[in-house]
Formats: sequence, C-alpha cells, structure tokens
Amino acid sequence: DVKVTQSSRYLVKRTGEKVFLECVQDMDHENMFWYRQDPGLGLRLIYFSYDVKMKEKGDIPEGYSVSREKKERFSLILESASTNQTSMYLCASSLLDKTVQETQYFGPGTRLLVL
Amino acid sequence: DAKTTQPTSMDCAEGRAANLPCNHSTISGNEYVYWYRQIHSQGPQYIIHGLKNNETNEMASLIITEDRKSSTLILPHATLRDTAVYYCIVRVGGGSNYKLTFGKGTLLTVNP
Repeated sequence: DVKVTQSSRYLVKRTGEKVFLECVQDMDHENMFWYRQDPGLGLRLIYFSYDVKMKEKGDIPEGYSVSREKKERFSLILESASTNQTSMYLCASSLLDKTVQETQYFGPGTRLLVL
Repeated sequence: DAKTTQPTSMDCAEGRAANLPCNHSTISGNEYVYWYRQIHSQGPQYIIHGLKNNETNEMASLIITEDRKSSTLILPHATLRDTAVYYCIVRVGGGSNYKLTFGKGTLLTVNP
C-alpha cells in the first residue's frame, strides 16, 4: 500500500513565525504535491515537484516555498505565517507516467491554525 | 478537465449497496473517470478509476455508460465507515496536467 505521511495532524502557530510542513512517501514516487483545502474553495494546488530539487508553482504559491532534497520528502515552508494561511494542508504523491494520468495518493492532512 | 455533476447528498442503509452517480456529458476520448472520497478531517482517499470499461477493486465497482457521459460508483455493502464526501473527477490522460481538482462531491451518509 502507498503510504504518505505528514509530520503533524494539528499545528498552532503565531503570525510571523516560519512554519515547516513535512511530507514523506514510501513508494518511490517521482511526483509530489502540496495542496490546501478550504471550505467552499475546494482543493488548491500550491506547489508540486516532479523530481529531486525540481519544483513548479501551482495556483497559489504566494507566501509559500518548498524544498525537495530527497525523492521521498517534500517540505512546504510558510516563510512568515499569516492568519489567511489557516487551512488544511494536504500532501500527495504519484508516479510519473507520460502515457496515462497518474493516480495521486494523499497524506492524512495537517490542520494549521495561525493566530 | 471535463466538468462533473453529482448529487449534493445521499443516504444509504448499512449493509446495502450505495450507488453514487456522476454526470460528465462533455467528457472527451482521452479522459479518465476517477473517484476519491474524503472522510471528515482526513486526507482524500483514492478509490478507483476507469476509461471506458467497468472496473472493480477491493473497495468498489465503477460502471461507465457506453457513451461515457455518466458513471456510477458502487459500494456493494456500505458500512458506517463509508460515510464520507465522494468526489468524481474527470482527467485527461498523459502527464502534462498535474493538478487534481475536486468539485463539491456527494456527501454519503450511511445509516445504521
């Protein structure tokens, strides 16, 4: 079974803090993704990575950065947390397959509250 | 990706089959139908996907109509733990479109 784990289920931070969200997958997947999910807005892609040290901006990258130093680990960084970054953060991974649309597997999510 | 339409909510009795419909009338030939579900406060869980043939796995069956304009996800013996929001997604084949977009989905409530 594919396993995607996230470092925390719940996190409370203060405005201005630097926040690190870690994601690890154990299936040797090339692609990794960070989404946020908010009521009424659905799932929105922040960043994704298709290889080590590679990253691509998603739809809402502002205020975030990412790091992919190892294939199995993809970190999301909030440089200076703000209250509008309070959200559920979801990490996903998938194989890179150019012939069919790959299946994305999600972690359990991190619910972040910024005070 | 093609637009999908799902009922907002459905109820099902425990032990009975749950049939969740999805309309995707603008689906094109290279688009797959995917189903995910999300239990409250958890990450989405992949269930099944298909292109044109019916598919079955240990979780569910996927029935796609011959014209591919609609599909039905079947949970053969629903349990209380199947209460979740179910998302039907249509996605193009090939690796260029990475983003996964969920609509509002169907809230399935399994009742004892």
